[in-house]
Amino acid sequence: AQSVDQPDAHVTLSEGASLELRCSYSYSAAPYLFWYVQYPGQSLQFLLKYITGDTVVKGTKGFEAEFRKSNSSFNLKKSPAHWSDSAKYFCALSNTGYQNFYFGKGTSLTVIP
Amino acid sequence: GGIITQTPKFLIGQEGQKLTLKCQQNFNHDTMYWYRQDSGKGLRLIYYSITENDLQKGDLSEGYDASREKKSSFSLTVTSAQKNEMAVFLCASSMGLGGLQNTLYFGAGTRLSVL
Repeated sequence: AQSVDQPDAHVTLSEGASLELRCSYSYSAAPYLFWYVQYPGQSLQFLLKYITGDTVVKGTKGFEAEFRKSNSSFNLKKSPAHWSDSAKYFCALSNTGYQNFYFGKGTSLTVIP
Repeated sequence: GGIITQTPKFLIGQEGQKLTLKCQQNFNHDTMYWYRQDSGKGLRLIYYSITENDLQKGDLSEGYDASREKKSSFSLTVTSAQKNEMAVFLCASSMGLGGLQNTLYFGAGTRLSVL
């Protein structure tokens, strides 16, 4: 069975600090991994994805994520963080055998100016 | 670019009522999805459709019906609304099969409240 775990429900940090949001997954085959962001009052927006190849992928808004097969993780990073990064972030896994996505519960990020 | 339009934005229903949510996309995407977002529970898949007139059940399909009569539209019916139910229903689409095409595009959501 596939699953995605985001162990931190809330993360708070100061503007200018480095942010890293954790995501781990469980999947027996090669995963397709995604990060989405949901700003207050808005719907989810695509940030970046890992399909294959380079294990560090860069996305929009200065974010990047690193795929680590050794510990089944796909952590999202950005440095420095900006107050406008305050949002809820969702990690997701896609099973390429059929059209399904498994989402984590999300991490609410607050960046204090 | 394209857009996904969900109607209505807000839906208030009575217990036991049948309620229908609609979704339209102009991306010309093949695959469409309905997700339910509950506070603290992330997104859970209700139904998806890989082409017109196709329906596939997700993990949360019980209590829901779906319809994909046109490529551009995908509707979801709550067959019997549950008292005090509150959730946001998100419609999404993607180009089709295969990892490179697997990016989801989301609508703004329909917020359901059941009295």
